[in-house]
Amino acid sequence: DGGITQSPKYLFRKEGQNVTLSCEQNLNHDAMYWYRQDPGQGLRLIYYSQIVNDFQKGDIAEGYSVSREKKESFPLTVTSAQKNPTAFYLCASSSLFPGNTEAFFGQGTRLTVV
Amino acid sequence: GENVGLHLPTLSVQEGDNSIINCAYSNSASDYFIWYKQESGKGPQFIIDIRSNMDKRQGQRVTVLLNKTVKHLSLQIAATQPGDSAVYFCAETFGGYQKVTFGTGTKLQVIP
Repeated sequence: DGGITQSPKYLFRKEGQNVTLSCEQNLNHDAMYWYRQDPGQGLRLIYYSQIVNDFQKGDIAEGYSVSREKKESFPLTVTSAQKNPTAFYLCASSSLFPGNTEAFFGQGTRLTVV
Repeated sequence: GENVGLHLPTLSVQEGDNSIINCAYSNSASDYFIWYKQESGKGPQFIIDIRSNMDKRQGQRVTVLLNKTVKHLSLQIAATQPGDSAVYFCAETFGGYQKVTFGTGTKLQVIP
C-alpha cells in the first residue's frame, strides 16, 4: 500500500526533554511537510522540505528541528525550547508537479507534555 | 496577515439533505483553493480543489463554488451521508504548496 506513516500515534514527554516524531512516505513525493494542529485552529506549518538535504522554516518553526537525509523520511524533533508542545502533529507529502494541490497526510501523532 | 476563515463552526444536517459549508478568504492573489475532510483522530483527506480562474467545479457528490467578487468559497455535499460527518477545512495556496493557509474548520454533523 502506498501512503504516509507517522509514528508513534501517542507520545508523552516530560518537560525539558526532546522527542522525535517519525514520518515516512513511499509515494515517491519530493515535498514533505510538518503541521501542528491545536483545538479549534487550522493547521499551521512548522517546516517543509522540497528536496533531500534541504528544508525551510514554516510559520511556527521555533522550538522544532527537522532533517531530510532520505527522500522517504522527514523526522521532526520537538525540542525543550518549544514552550507549548502539547498538540496534534501532522506530516504530509506532495508531488511538486505544476498545478498539483493534493497533499497526503499521515494519521498524526498526539504529543502530550506531562 | 492573509487568512482563511469560516462562517459556521458547526453544521447539523439531516441524512439525505444537501450540505453547504462556507469559507471566506482574504488573499485575492491565491491561485488555488482546496477543501479537506478530517475525521476524528485522523489526518485530513483531500476532497477537491478549484483554480482561481474557475467559478465552479464538480466531483463525486461534491461541488465547490468560488466567488472572487466577495472572496467566498463553498463546498456543497449532495445527499449527505453519516460517513460525511467530519471537520471540513478550506485552504488557499499561492506560489506553491508550502504557502498553503488553512482555515479553522467546520464540523459537519449528520443526523440519521
